[in-house]
Amino acid sequence: EAGVTQFPSHSVIEKGQTVTLRCDPISGHDNLYWYRRVMGKEIKFLLHFVKESKQDESGMPNNRFLAERTGGTYSTLKVQPAELEDSGVYFCASSQDREIYGYTFGSGTRLTVV
Amino acid sequence: AQRVTQPEKLLSVFKGAPVELKCNYSYSGSPELFWYVQYSRQRLQLLLRHISRESIKGFTADLNKGETSFHLKKPFAQEEDSAMYYCALSENRDDKIIFGKGTRLHILP
Repeated sequence: EAGVTQFPSHSVIEKGQTVTLRCDPISGHDNLYWYRRVMGKEIKFLLHFVKESKQDESGMPNNRFLAERTGGTYSTLKVQPAELEDSGVYFCASSQDREIYGYTFGSGTRLTVV
Repeated sequence: AQRVTQPEKLLSVFKGAPVELKCNYSYSGSPELFWYVQYSRQRLQLLLRHISRESIKGFTADLNKGETSFHLKKPFAQEEDSAMYYCALSENRDDKIIFGKGTRLHILP
């Protein structure tokens, strides 16, 4: 079984540019989550999809961040325009039933805004 | 607000010595508690959860509701235990997980 795949693994962009991160969850997993870890701080929740619907987006920092999950398969997280404080590692996770199976995390995308 | 506190950023322990990674939480209800681990160049993975009461790789964690703690313990450290450990909680199944800042465990030879 393929795991959770994130692309790209690293991205370096200039302030003001746009970046799109992609997450491919494990096939059949309805739940998809985005988290990020900013340098020196804890891993923070961004949002939760159930299939194609946003179940909880309370962690999205501002309207420069847009997440989509068209068709309930892969998800994208777009940052537009990027700011210096957006630098960090963005993690995606998926689960079918977390109570039984738990989350499976992707390896993350390291975003550096210069 | 829910919060998870890991007081140690770095913990160095000699191989064969006991390990205890501290975790305290603040939450008014009955959360589910987890420990996640990230080994070098690997992805974040679930180590254990309090409801399963399992021992994984020799690690155990007991939920102490009176002290609101969920410390991770292992009687004899091994070099392969060196990693970043995150304590975490969530309110309900499928809900978001709230992570602590993490403790880097370094096992000395």
